[in-house]
Amino acid sequence: GENVEQHPSTLSVQEGDSAVIKCTYSDSASNYFPWYKQELGKGPQLIIDIRSNVGEKKDQRIAVTLNKTAKHFSLHITETQPEDSAVYFCAASTGGGTSYGKLTFGQGTILTVHP
Amino acid sequence: DSGVTQTPKHLITATGQRVTLRCSPRSGDLSVYWYQQSLDQGLQFLIQYYNGEERAKGNILERFSAQQFPDLHSELNLSSLELGDSALYFCASSTRDRGSHEQYFGPGTRLTVT
Repeated sequence: GENVEQHPSTLSVQEGDSAVIKCTYSDSASNYFPWYKQELGKGPQLIIDIRSNVGEKKDQRIAVTLNKTAKHFSLHITETQPEDSAVYFCAASTGGGTSYGKLTFGQGTILTVHP
Repeated sequence: DSGVTQTPKHLITATGQRVTLRCSPRSGDLSVYWYQQSLDQGLQFLIQYYNGEERAKGNILERFSAQQFPDLHSELNLSSLELGDSALYFCASSTRDRGSHEQYFGPGTRLTVT
């Protein structure tokens, strides 16, 4: 089955700096890669996603890039703010066969933005 | 707010007991997914239902079962509970049963088994 590795496990930055989180996946059939932000005591919140026919996607301060050949994708947050502090998860889905839409998650990255 | 609701928010019970967790998907979503989040295993897929039918199974224990009702809400039943079942249980919903599509998560149920 699919395996998703996420790095780093913790990331500490100063307010205004950029943050980058990287994930690799194992199943070349994966075609959907969402990123979730989870704050303490809450459920994961979808913040951005990318499909395998796209190399990059941007939404204000957040961007995601995908390299299908190398099987890795990354989340970029620019101009970080203290409210960006949370746990971030990457995920992958093959969306076909008997996998349907199930998501396989990375281990998570604890991002701390210091004022 | 994702539009997905889960009850109860917290549940404390003893080993050997049985509990039921409830999930109502976003309006119009036909698919419900259940995930378990624990410190050692991370976020893991348990099971998926689409319009009342089971679609996919993950590493779900035989002691666990789920169903989706005609009004599309779903219940996850956990029986013969063990200490190791203590975790956060999330449901997510989406419009389709397969393919590249968004899943929206509920606030979760925190289960503590003592």
